Amino acid sequence: KAGVTQTPRYLIKTRGQQVTLSCSPISGHRSVSWYQQTPGQGLQFLFEYFSETQRNKGNFPGRFSGRQFSNSRSEMNVSTLELGDSALYLCASSSYRVTNTGELFFGEGSRLTVL
Amino acid sequence: GENVEQHPSTLSVQEGDSAVIKCTYSDSASNYFPWYKQELGKGPQLIIDIRSNVGEKKDQRIAVTLNKTAKHFSLHITETQPEDSAVYFCAASSVGNTPLVFGKGTRLSVIA
Repeated sequence: KAGVTQTPRYLIKTRGQQVTLSCSPISGHRSVSWYQQTPGQGLQFLFEYFSETQRNKGNFPGRFSGRQFSNSRSEMNVSTLELGDSALYLCASSSYRVTNTGELFFGEGSRLTVL
Repeated sequence: GENVEQHPSTLSVQEGDSAVIKCTYSDSASNYFPWYKQELGKGPQLIIDIRSNVGEKKDQRIAVTLNKTAKHFSLHITETQPEDSAVYFCAASSVGNTPLVFGKGTRLSVIA
């Protein structure tokens, strides 16, 4: 069974640009969550999607947005990039609606560098 | 909302020794406490979890203990091996539609 696939794995952008990251969950998983990982802050929750609907949102500015498609694939977008957005963005899928009922399966992440 | 504190941030042990990582949480309604291991260049992977109706859970060399009264839980790794070197994250969440809240991680180094 294929794992969670995130693309691209690495990307470099400049301040003010926007970026779109993609996540393909494990087949059959309908819940997709996104986390931002930085050395100082650990894993911070961005948002969760289930059946194409955003179910939860973390404490991030409106520049961070996402969506989920009918095949459960998800994208996240960051507009007007800032230096502080440099991070590893992790996607996780789950077969359960709520993440506290089962395992999260993480992808290897997309490492974004903002110059 | 929930807040999870994790200590220590770095830990070095000799191969064969035990390692203990501790976490505290703030929301008394939290009832699910997983631990994830992240190896270099990879995403975190669940290694063990515990729910609030259980005080301790073991899986081979790994054990987790939970003290709901004190609102803290710990990961214990016995007979550490070099392949245990990684970053470990604790997390907590409560009932309902609440996402996992992670601690900031502990970088464990096992010295051969």
